[in-house]
Amino acid sequence: KAGVTQTPRYLIKTRGQQVTLSCSPISGHRSVSWYQQTPGQGLQFLFEYFSETQRNKGNFPGRFSGRQFSNSRSEMNVSTLELGDSALYLCASSALGFWDTEAFFGQGTRLTVV
Amino acid sequence: AQSVTQLDSQVPVFEEAPVELRCNYSSSVSVYLFWYVQYPNQGLQLLLKYLSGSTLVKGINGFEAEFNKSQTSFHLRKPSVHISDTAEYFCAVTPPRTGNQFYFGTGTSLTVIP
Repeated sequence: KAGVTQTPRYLIKTRGQQVTLSCSPISGHRSVSWYQQTPGQGLQFLFEYFSETQRNKGNFPGRFSGRQFSNSRSEMNVSTLELGDSALYLCASSALGFWDTEAFFGQGTRLTVV
Repeated sequence: AQSVTQLDSQVPVFEEAPVELRCNYSSSVSVYLFWYVQYPNQGLQLLLKYLSGSTLVKGINGFEAEFNKSQTSFHLRKPSVHISDTAEYFCAVTPPRTGNQFYFGTGTSLTVIP
């Protein structure tokens, strides 16, 4: 069974640009969560999607948005990139979301903003 | 609100020695507790989790953790570490039925010295 796949693995963008990251969950999983990992702030929850609906959102500005498709694949978009957006972005999938007790993480996308 | 404190940011230990990584949490509701491990340039891998029942939880790679409700702690232990255990370890909590919205500690970097 394939794991959680995130693409691309590495990305370099210029300040002011926008970026889209992709996450393909484990087959059959309907919940996808996104996290930002930085040395200063650690791991912070961005948002969670279940069956194409955003159910939870962390404390991030509106420049961070996401969506989920009918096949459960999810994308995260960051507009007007800032240097502080440089981070490892991780997504996690689970089968049932609310009722699950385990999430499986992808390897992450390393975003560097220059 | 929930918060997690990992008391040691770095823990060096000699190979085959025992190790304990400390984790304390604060929450106004019952939570599930987790330990994840992250190897360089990788995502997070679940080591073990506490949902209910026995307070001593055994995980993968010989790790175990003990839930102490009165001290709101969930310390991770291994009786004999290997070089391959060198990694970053994260303690996390999540209230039940919150869609995998984890609250992570800041991490403990475990370095096993040959």
